[in-house]
Amino acid sequence: GENVEQHPSTLSVQEGDSAVIKCTYSDSASNYFPWYKQELGKGPQLIIDIRSNVGEKKDQRIAVTLNKTAKHFSLHITETQPEDSAVYFCAASTKNDYKLSFGAGTTVTVRA
Amino acid sequence: DTGVSQDPRHKITKRGQNVTFRCDPISEHNRLYWYRQTLGQGPEFLTYFQNEAQLEKSRLLSDRFSAERPKGSFSTLEIQRTEQGDSAMYLCASSLNQGPQIGEELFFGEGSRLTVL
Repeated sequence: GENVEQHPSTLSVQEGDSAVIKCTYSDSASNYFPWYKQELGKGPQLIIDIRSNVGEKKDQRIAVTLNKTAKHFSLHITETQPEDSAVYFCAASTKNDYKLSFGAGTTVTVRA
Repeated sequence: DTGVSQDPRHKITKRGQNVTFRCDPISEHNRLYWYRQTLGQGPEFLTYFQNEAQLEKSRLLSDRFSAERPKGSFSTLEIQRTEQGDSAMYLCASSLNQGPQIGEELFFGEGSRLTVL
């Protein structure tokens, strides 16, 4: 089955700086890569996703890149704000198999 | 509120007791998933339904676990003879499958936290 590894496990950044989280996956058939944000006591919420037919996607301060050859993808958050503090999960799924395999998560703390 | 709702939000039980969790998905969503999340880990897939049909079960789902979605709407997850290792957050998610496509967004509920003493 799919194995998704995520680094780092914790990340502390100064407000206004950028945060980068990296994930690798094992199944070359994976073609959908969402990122979820989970705040304390809540369920994960999708913040951005990328499909295998594109290499980069951006939504305001958030961007995701995908390198299919190397089987890794990354989340970039620019101009971080205190409300960006949360746990972020990367995930992957394969064509016709919609269940997601999640990474272990990155706890992001934005220092004011 | 039209999101995914789960009940109860918290459950404390003694080892050996049975517990049942309920999930009400977003109304038009035809797929429903159950995940388990332990502290410091990402959600782990347990099972999913397409309408009322249970299409896949993880090896994590031992024979003490059973899930149903009798009318293709709400779902229940029952754990029999609970063990301390069952302590976790049980997350439900739903999605709208619109045919062959690459990926679909899962909408998660806020979870049911189980503590087995």
